[in-house]
Amino acid sequence: DGGITQSPKYLFRKEGQNVTLSCEQNLNHDAMYWYRQDPGQGLRLIYYSQIVNDFQKGDIAEGYSVSREKKESFPLTVTSAQKNPTAFYLCASIWYTEAFFGQGTRLTVV
Amino acid sequence: QQQVKQSPQSLIVQKGGISIINCAYENTAFDYFPWYQQFPGKGPALLIAIRPDVSEKKEGRFTISFNKSAKQFSLHIMDSQPGDSATYFCAATNTNAGKSTFGDGTTLTVKP
Repeated sequence: DGGITQSPKYLFRKEGQNVTLSCEQNLNHDAMYWYRQDPGQGLRLIYYSQIVNDFQKGDIAEGYSVSREKKESFPLTVTSAQKNPTAFYLCASIWYTEAFFGQGTRLTVV
Repeated sequence: QQQVKQSPQSLIVQKGGISIINCAYENTAFDYFPWYQQFPGKGPALLIAIRPDVSEKKEGRFTISFNKSAKQFSLHIMDSQPGDSATYFCAATNTNAGKSTFGDGTTLTVKP
């Protein structure tokens, strides 16, 4: 099955820790995106990458970092600098105009 | 500055009724307008989309109406079913920039 695979589904972070969310795709898409979803709010763009070894900040990049060493992979690191990281994180790839989303990772700070 | 405004935030409709969700945008660089459907704990999935050169697109029970001069578009769900209960997001895409801006979402509940 082709698609976007995010792991883990649930993640718990202690204060001051960095955590990395995995996003893998086998769709052979060039563009990949990370969004944050909070209750009652839309999807806010964190980072995006339109080609390997290149990525751009989105609207809420502070406290996050990414890498794009392979076309298939676009991991997101939530650093200790992100003061309110509890949210639902969605990874997506874009083919022409359609976005394909993963199933999301719910991150909770404990 | 919110570039895509979506309303209502929540909507309750009886089975068989019509659900209507509205969106308005500001940036005329947007050239593609998709709607996504999201079930709890899942990622959004593309439902239907329209380009600004047409005023309406219909797929089954789902219709998008588009008003370019007013910079507004809406999703109509005919004969709404309990299985349609989900969160719906409109989006506006600038295909040249490769970026989409999403509305805040509408939680639809269809009562049996």
